[in-house]
Amino acid sequence: DVKVTQSSRYLVKRTGEKVFLECVQDMDHENMFWYRQDPGLGLRLIYFSYDVKMKEKGDIPEGYSVSREKKERFSLILESASTNQTSMYLCASSWGPYNEQFFGPGTRLTVL
Amino acid sequence: AQKITQTQPGMFVQEKEAVTLDCTYDTSDPSYGLFWYKQPSSGEMIFLIYQGSYDQQNATEGRYSLNFQKARKSANLVISASQLGDSAMYFCAMRPNTGNQFYFGTGTSLTVIP
Repeated sequence: DVKVTQSSRYLVKRTGEKVFLECVQDMDHENMFWYRQDPGLGLRLIYFSYDVKMKEKGDIPEGYSVSREKKERFSLILESASTNQTSMYLCASSWGPYNEQFFGPGTRLTVL
Repeated sequence: AQKITQTQPGMFVQEKEAVTLDCTYDTSDPSYGLFWYKQPSSGEMIFLIYQGSYDQQNATEGRYSLNFQKARKSANLVISASQLGDSAMYFCAMRPNTGNQFYFGTGTSLTVIP
């Protein structure tokens, strides 16, 4: 079974803190994605990566950066957390760009 | 512009009945994939079913089937014989063949009533 894990299920941080969300997949997938999910807005793509050290902006990259140093790991970084970044963050991976995405359990981030 | 629309924010269905969740999409890409995901209250998104834009037949996976009407740009999910465990959020997604993005709808909350 494909397994996508995320470092935390729940996280509480203060405004201005640097926040790291980590995602690891164990199936050698090329593509990895970070979404945020907010009620009534569905899933919105923040960043994605189709190879190690490669990254592309999604629809809402402002305030975020990413890192992919190894194929299995894709990190989302909030350089200076703000209250409007309180959300559910979902990581996903896929074999190829046309295949279904497999999701991790999500991290519910609260920024106070 | 790529767009996915799910017009039903909430749906109710009686246990053992069938239910249809609506999804329409907009793309200028001639080739694309359509996906449905289920998100239970636990939060994890679970892949349910896939339909390719050139597939001649509607996709089926167990109790799930996809009613694909290409000319109308609709890809409705049909769940037959609903079970209590089907209560969840359901998301429709589209993946055009150009670019690397999936586009998700806003979701439909399904509640199965005993």
